[in-house]
Amino acid sequence: EDKVVQSPLSLVVHEGDTVTLNCSYEVTNFRSLLWYKQEKKAPTFLFMLTSSGIEKKSGRLSSILDKKELFSILNITATQTGDSAVYLCALSSGSARQLTFGSGTQLTVLP
Amino acid sequence: KAGVTQTPRYLIKTRGQQVTLSCSPISGHRSVSWYQQTPGQGLQFLFEYFSETQRNKGNFPGRFSGRQFSNSRSEMNVSTLELGDSALYLCASSRETYNEQFFGPGTRLTVL
Repeated sequence: EDKVVQSPLSLVVHEGDTVTLNCSYEVTNFRSLLWYKQEKKAPTFLFMLTSSGIEKKSGRLSSILDKKELFSILNITATQTGDSAVYLCALSSGSARQLTFGSGTQLTVLP
Repeated sequence: KAGVTQTPRYLIKTRGQQVTLSCSPISGHRSVSWYQQTPGQGLQFLFEYFSETQRNKGNFPGRFSGRQFSNSRSEMNVSTLELGDSALYLCASSRETYNEQFFGPGTRLTVL
C-alpha cells in the first residue's frame, strides 16, 4: 500500500522567512509526486515531479524530488502572509489510478 | 478556460437519506476522480472515472457510487447517509489518468 508522510505537521514563521516542507513516501510503482496548496477551499495545484534531481520553480516556490531516498521537499522563500495554508503532498503510482495524500503541513506566516 | 465546477456547494441532509453530487470537469479532461476530505482522515480517494468507466475504487462501502456521462460530467451518490459521511467532497479532473489533477471547489455535506 502506498504511503505518504509529511513533516512537520505544522509550522509558524514570520514574513520573510524561508521554509522547507518535507514529504517522504513508500510506493510500489512510482509515477509522480504532486504538491498542492489548500486554503479554506479546494487544493490548488503547485507542482508535479517525475524525475529525480530536477528542480521545479514557480516564483518563490520550488520543489525537488529524490527517487533514491524517496522524498521530496517544497521550499518557499521570502514568505508572505498569503502563503498561510495547508500544503499537501500526493503520490501517483502505476498500481492504482488515484492520488494518495499525506496529512499535510499547516503553514502559518505571521506579519 | 473554466475550472472544475461542483454543485451544490453546500448540502444538509438527515441520516438515512440519499444524496447526489455533480461535477463538471475542465473542458477536454476525460478523467474525473472523487475524494472525501475530513479533519480526521484527510483526503481519501473514492473512485476514478475515465471515458464513462470506473477505473479504480477506494476503500469505501457500497453506499458510495458514481457514474460518468459521455460529456465527462460525473455524479456521485451516497445512499443511506450516516453521520460520519459529513465531509467535504472534492472532484478533480485531469486530461489523462496520470496527469496532474485539478480540483473543484467541493461540496460540503452535513448529515444531521
